[in-house]
Amino acid sequence: NAGVTQTPKFRVLKTGQSMTLLCAQDMNHEYMYWYRQDPGMGLRLIHYSVGEGTTAKGEVPDGYNVSRLKKQNFLLGLESAAPSQTSVYFCASWTGADQPQHFGDGTRLSIL
Amino acid sequence: LAKTTQPISMDSYEGQEVNITCSHNNIATNDYITWYQQFPSQGPRFIIQGYKTKVTNEVASLFIPADRKSSTLSLPRVSLSDTAVYYCLVGPFYGQNFVFGPGTRLSVLP
Repeated sequence: NAGVTQTPKFRVLKTGQSMTLLCAQDMNHEYMYWYRQDPGMGLRLIHYSVGEGTTAKGEVPDGYNVSRLKKQNFLLGLESAAPSQTSVYFCASWTGADQPQHFGDGTRLSIL
Repeated sequence: LAKTTQPISMDSYEGQEVNITCSHNNIATNDYITWYQQFPSQGPRFIIQGYKTKVTNEVASLFIPADRKSSTLSLPRVSLSDTAVYYCLVGPFYGQNFVFGPGTRLSVLP
């Protein structure tokens, strides 16, 4: 039972490059989330999805795009990476009701 | 979304009971209170969740007073491995997004 799997675990980009982070969950959860966590800070919500084919903006959506073409996958894209996007990115899924969110182990992204 | 306030950091010694209090003055009627634990280089991990009164599981207890404007996470007899950041979240039963505060950094000393 893998839970929430994030790919890749580490990545270094140059300013202006693009990339996509993949989040996959095998729990059939409707809700999925992308957060970023900067050093010494809590998690901040970037985008989220309440079901296949839907996406919505969170607290810090600028510079990111997302897609949820399949229920089990939630993709986070950086079109033109900036040094300010250097962070650890966490994906989470949630079934709703009184159940907790399940988090992946994060993707550490450095932009030079 | 209810905003939460927690102490930034706490220190404790092994074997002691640790209580971390979270304030959420504008909690709504349909909001649950959830606590997560996060170790370095890992995603947050669920500890406990409650709506009112007291909830206990194998790792912690959660105390919620009648007015629900605060909650206290209680960790009995902490060990060095309990050193982590603890987050208090308040969100609706069918909430669509969650707000994490900076959390409480707990350091357990030998």
